[in-house]
Amino acid sequence: AQSVTQLGSHVSVSEGALVLLRCNYSSSVPPYLFWYVQYPNQGLQLLLKYTSAATLVKGINGFEAEFKKSETSFHLTKPSAHMSDAAEYFCAVSDGAAGNKLTFGGGTRVLVKP
Amino acid sequence: DGGITQSPKYLFRKEGQNVTLSCEQNLNHDAMYWYRQDPGQGLRLIYYSQIVNDFQKGDIAEGYSVSREKKESFPLTVTSAQKNPTAFYLCASSAGTGFNSPLHFGNGTRLTVT
Repeated sequence: AQSVTQLGSHVSVSEGALVLLRCNYSSSVPPYLFWYVQYPNQGLQLLLKYTSAATLVKGINGFEAEFKKSETSFHLTKPSAHMSDAAEYFCAVSDGAAGNKLTFGGGTRVLVKP
Repeated sequence: DGGITQSPKYLFRKEGQNVTLSCEQNLNHDAMYWYRQDPGQGLRLIYYSQIVNDFQKGDIAEGYSVSREKKESFPLTVTSAQKNPTAFYLCASSAGTGFNSPLHFGNGTRLTVT
């Protein structure tokens, strides 16, 4: 069975500071990993995905994530936070089997202070 | 513009009543999904459908039912057997069922049962 753990349900950063959101996964097969963002009262939007090509993945809005197999991690970073980054972020894992079923982490809500 | 439409945005029901949530997509996607979102628990898969007239249970299907009579529609019924139905419900679709077919989400329906 797969699982995803996001460390920290809330993160507060200053505008212009580094954003770091942590994600650790558990999977019995090589995983496919995803980060999604959710703005208030909206659905989720794909930020980026890891599918066994490059270990450093670049996404939209200046975000990137690095897959580290030895640490079973897929942390999300952005060098400089913007007010518009305030949202909830979800890490998800798929085993690639038919159905495209994703297992999501509990989410991390990001607050950006001016 | 193509997308996923969920209606209504807010829904209120009395305990013991069945309620149906609508999900329509005009993306011509084959696969559709229903997720339930609770604070701090991320998203959990209720049901998914890879093709018309076929669907499978997800991780928390008890107390829910679905149908997939048309490619563009995947309604979810929350029955009176669902013990804790108050939640935010998200519908999603994907072009295929492999990991390279990202999920596209609707804006959700917030269901409150009292």
